[in-house]
Amino acid sequence: EDQVTQSPEALRLQEGESSSLNCSYTVSGLRGLFWYRQDPGKGPEFLFTLYSAGEEKEKERLKATLTKKESFLHITAPKPEDSATYLCAVQAKQAGTALIFGKGTTLSVSS
Amino acid sequence: DAGVIQSPRHEVTEMGQEVTLRCKPISGHNSLFWYRQTMMRGLELLIYFNNNVPIDDSGMPEDRFSAKMPNASFSTLKIQPSEPRDSAVYFCASSLMGLGRHEQYFGPGTRLTVT
Repeated sequence: EDQVTQSPEALRLQEGESSSLNCSYTVSGLRGLFWYRQDPGKGPEFLFTLYSAGEEKEKERLKATLTKKESFLHITAPKPEDSATYLCAVQAKQAGTALIFGKGTTLSVSS
Repeated sequence: DAGVIQSPRHEVTEMGQEVTLRCKPISGHNSLFWYRQTMMRGLELLIYFNNNVPIDDSGMPEDRFSAKMPNASFSTLKIQPSEPRDSAVYFCASSLMGLGRHEQYFGPGTRLTVT
């Protein structure tokens, strides 16, 4: 069964304190791995797509990496506005276009 | 671009009533997805359409749920009759499949409360 597990469930950081969020997955042939950001009361906002092991994508203070079993979302020198829930999702080659989401990591950054 | 539009944003109804949620996807997108989000189960795919045709409805919880996409710019998700356990946030997302791109863009969601 295709599955996505994110850790930790919640993470509290001080402003400027870098850290990483983990997304472990099991899927029968990965088509793509997706990272989304979700603010309270809003829909998920697309951040990155990663397609193959070794691939990296960056956007401002965020950097996503991918291996054959997991993905990391690295947050460098976070600011309070980076506080949100970060969702990871995978798309299996044999599952059409459906995404399977993890339950997310809720990040809180205090100044 | 207006993004994915959903209505209503909030819906409060009594058990047994019919509820209809509406979605307008991003213009030009050819795939549309309905998700449900709860604290316990996270984001779950209910059904998705490709070129207005339902492709996979295996996530639809029961026969009380139905979805339609009469044209490329409109979709509905209907619950009849509604039950308290249907309370959740329902999201619509759209995507342009092809050219190796598969990211989905979400609407703001409809928060449904069934009393």
